[in-house]
Amino acid sequence: NAGVTQTPKFRILKIGQSMTLQCTQDMNHNYMYWYRQDPGMGLKLIYYSVGAGITDKGEVPNGYNVSRSTTEDFPLRLELAAPSQTSVYFCASSYPTGTGDNEQFFGPGTRLTVL
Amino acid sequence: KQEVTQIPAALSVPEGENLVLNCSFTDSAIYNLQWFRQDPGKGLTSLLLIQSSQREQTSGRLNASLDKSSGRSTLYIAASQPGDSATYLCAVRPDNTDKLIFGTGTRLQVFP
Repeated sequence: NAGVTQTPKFRILKIGQSMTLQCTQDMNHNYMYWYRQDPGMGLKLIYYSVGAGITDKGEVPNGYNVSRSTTEDFPLRLELAAPSQTSVYFCASSYPTGTGDNEQFFGPGTRLTVL
Repeated sequence: KQEVTQIPAALSVPEGENLVLNCSFTDSAIYNLQWFRQDPGKGLTSLLLIQSSQREQTSGRLNASLDKSSGRSTLYIAASQPGDSATYLCAVRPDNTDKLIFGTGTRLQVFP
């Protein structure tokens, strides 16, 4: 299994541009998550999904959108990039509550810079 | 609101030392607690997960304990090695949610 994969690894955007960060998992996990990590900080939850067609906001959803059309994929969309969105973005997945430990598995991250 | 704090923020020790990393959380109503390792420029690797009903978990030289009532967890690393150098993050999953709340991490350096 490849686990959780993310593309791209690095990206530089200009203010106002848009982009989609891709995330795919091959572990048949129902739950998927998007986090951002600012320098020297912990991770903050942006959006999460408990299954295909279901998404919900986390702590810091403003400026982002998500969709979940399949179990495997959970793309994160930035519509109008702002310098405050410069960060490292991590995608994660897990089994549903009550199934095993609900341990979260993380992708390698996407480093985004908005200039 | 659940808050997670990790002390110290940074730690530098000589190889071979046993060390303890601390994690505290403000609300004891948690489902589980997870310790992660993060290497520079990399993603997170799960080290140990402790369910709320458990007191500790062990994996090799790592031992994590949980005292839910006092809102504390410790990660014990025995006989530290330079390869243990990384940032260690703890995260709690509050009851009745599917979300993790992260601490800001402890940056560990083990020198030869």
